[in-house]
Amino acid sequence: SQQGEEDPQALSIQEGENATMNCSYKTSINNLQWYRQNSGRGLVHLILIRSNEREKHSGRLRVTLDTSKKSSSLLITASRAADTASYFCATDPDNAGNMLTFGGGTRLMVKP
Amino acid sequence: DGGITQSPKYLFRKEGQNVTLSCEQNLNHDAMYWYRQDPGQGLRLIYYSQIVNDFQKGDIAEGYSVSREKKESFPLTVTSAQKNPTAFYLCASSIDPGGPYNEQFFGPGTRLTVL
Repeated sequence: SQQGEEDPQALSIQEGENATMNCSYKTSINNLQWYRQNSGRGLVHLILIRSNEREKHSGRLRVTLDTSKKSSSLLITASRAADTASYFCATDPDNAGNMLTFGGGTRLMVKP
Repeated sequence: DGGITQSPKYLFRKEGQNVTLSCEQNLNHDAMYWYRQDPGQGLRLIYYSQIVNDFQKGDIAEGYSVSREKKESFPLTVTSAQKNPTAFYLCASSIDPGGPYNEQFFGPGTRLTVL
């Protein structure tokens, strides 16, 4: 079952703009992770935020977590054409034996 | 060069055939996973293994089987009982599935098509 749901399902922006993707989930979690997938490839781990953290940065990525609203957002600043990919959130529910549950993903297209 | 390898990259199956997808890792990770991804969709867990000689069913295990005889290897067999096997299959591993930093490392995937 999919715990995380990304919004929007698809996003198209111009190079240089910021891209924001959201993830909502249903049950309490240990952590939430964001992954990137280029077309036809495997997923690459981007960032992990623990349930007791509210914000985390990694390069041009900024992730926030609001456990009261059961939601997270991924912000990519100053986007590049190479950021074109699908982005997935994955939750680690605290009652699921540490099995990650992936959402349906946001397909981001960055136009040069 | 550490990582996860999957083979083959593309696989074609005739109806009624069993096929086996290979997944090997040299990261010394204890846990390994198999996911199925349909076009435009997220990942669904088929099977996972947290230790050698032990594995558990995921959300969509019907029609699939696995083995974990070695730490490095976690092959997936798609049996003829799987009615709609055409999909992209991803293998992953993690070093600390029970801990707070359980990020997964993925292989490049195998695209299976039923003819």
